Amino acid sequence: DAKTTQPPSMDCAEGRAANLPCNHSTISGNEYVYWYRQIHSQGPQYIIHGLKNNETNEMASLIITEDRKSSTLILPHATLRDTAVYYCIVSLRDDKIIFGKGTRLHILP
Amino acid sequence: GAGVSQSPSNKVTEKGKDVELRCDPISGHTALYWYRQRLGQGLEFLIYFQGNSAPDKSGLPSDRFSAERTGESVSTLTIQRTQQEDSAVYLCASSLEFWLAGATSGELFFGEGSRLTVL
Repeated sequence: DAKTTQPPSMDCAEGRAANLPCNHSTISGNEYVYWYRQIHSQGPQYIIHGLKNNETNEMASLIITEDRKSSTLILPHATLRDTAVYYCIVSLRDDKIIFGKGTRLHILP
Repeated sequence: GAGVSQSPSNKVTEKGKDVELRCDPISGHTALYWYRQRLGQGLEFLIYFQGNSAPDKSGLPSDRFSAERTGESVSTLTIQRTQQEDSAVYLCASSLEFWLAGATSGELFFGEGSRLTVL
């Protein structure tokens, strides 16, 4: 019952922007979009979240389409340390966070 | 403590034995999660505690799995009569309630996990 669809894997050249897409066509009006990543052998790490507006923090930017049916996580200058599995999650606030299969991002030197 | 603490970090047990895994969340965090991650797989939701509400147990795979949490403190995940397919890393995470967290709302803080191996 995954609420999001992500490509299983992507490549990005080091130093370039990594744009990770996520489809969430059944998102409801009060569900948030969260992004996490998991670097090998570590616990997941929170990246960013948003509701309607685009968001930016020190790690990434989140672009949410006007109809909220899809979003893109942008890592502006990818480094080798950004190699990880990236999870896009849709959830109500104060509700459980369910991880899907994510996108395995490979940063190429 | 500064972060989410889990123990033991590694546990090797024989098939059929019971195991207990412990999670100490960040002080003040009302929400606590347990996840399971088998080798090479994604995170599988097990159970979610939120404040004084009834826990969401919808992810527990069988009645051999149970979890308890006393108030807003320590949680214990118990697996009875362990099977080889229970071998995995069990991850605990905690977070603030949304209205308390403000800008960081929705951020889960994960422990290092407990690696369970059932022989």
